[in-house]
Amino acid sequence: AQKVTQAQTEISVVEKEDVTLDCVYETRDTTYYLFWYKQPPSGELVFLIRRNSFDEQNEISGRYSWNFQKSTSSFNFTITASQVVDSAVYFCALSEPNFGNEKLTFGTGTRLTIIP
Amino acid sequence: DTGVSQDPRHKITKRGQNVTFRCDPISEHNRLYWYRQTLGQGPEFLTYFQNEAQLEKSRLLSDRFSAERPKGSFSTLEIQRTEQGDSAMYLCASTRGEVYEQYFGPGTRLTVT
Repeated sequence: AQKVTQAQTEISVVEKEDVTLDCVYETRDTTYYLFWYKQPPSGELVFLIRRNSFDEQNEISGRYSWNFQKSTSSFNFTITASQVVDSAVYFCALSEPNFGNEKLTFGTGTRLTIIP
Repeated sequence: DTGVSQDPRHKITKRGQNVTFRCDPISEHNRLYWYRQTLGQGPEFLTYFQNEAQLEKSRLLSDRFSAERPKGSFSTLEIQRTEQGDSAMYLCASTRGEVYEQYFGPGTRLTVT
């Protein structure tokens, strides 16, 4: 069965520090997709990244970077030089479309607070 | 470009009443999903549609819940005989294909008193 674990419930860092959010997943299949979403205080989930299981290259987008390691079933998210606007709850999610199972299975989220 | 919209944004109802929520997906998206999110948790899948066909329902979706997507456009989620345990944020998402990212609406926050 699909499962996503975000062991860090809450993290607080001082502005401009780097921070890494951990995500570990369990899946039955070799073909799957991983996602990160941001949920700011306003409540609307914002898509950040989609990664398929065959692409293990790390990705960088501005201050954001993602480290996908299939061997450890992890898909970690790093924010460099954090800013107050990064304060939000971040969710990692998994889908297994090959099982006709298109739903996203979310982790419980990590609440990130950036202290000015 | 219009995103996913949901109506109403907030709903307060008394236990036992029926409520209906509406979701309008992004216009070219043929897949539509409903999720429920309770405080401190991630969204949990309820059901999804490909065009007008409802293809999967979660065990979370009791007989009191029903969802429709007539003509494959907007969708409605109805909860009959609401219970206090139904209090949650109900999220709608849409996507243009099974391997693409889902875009979420702002949600409808339901409070059952």
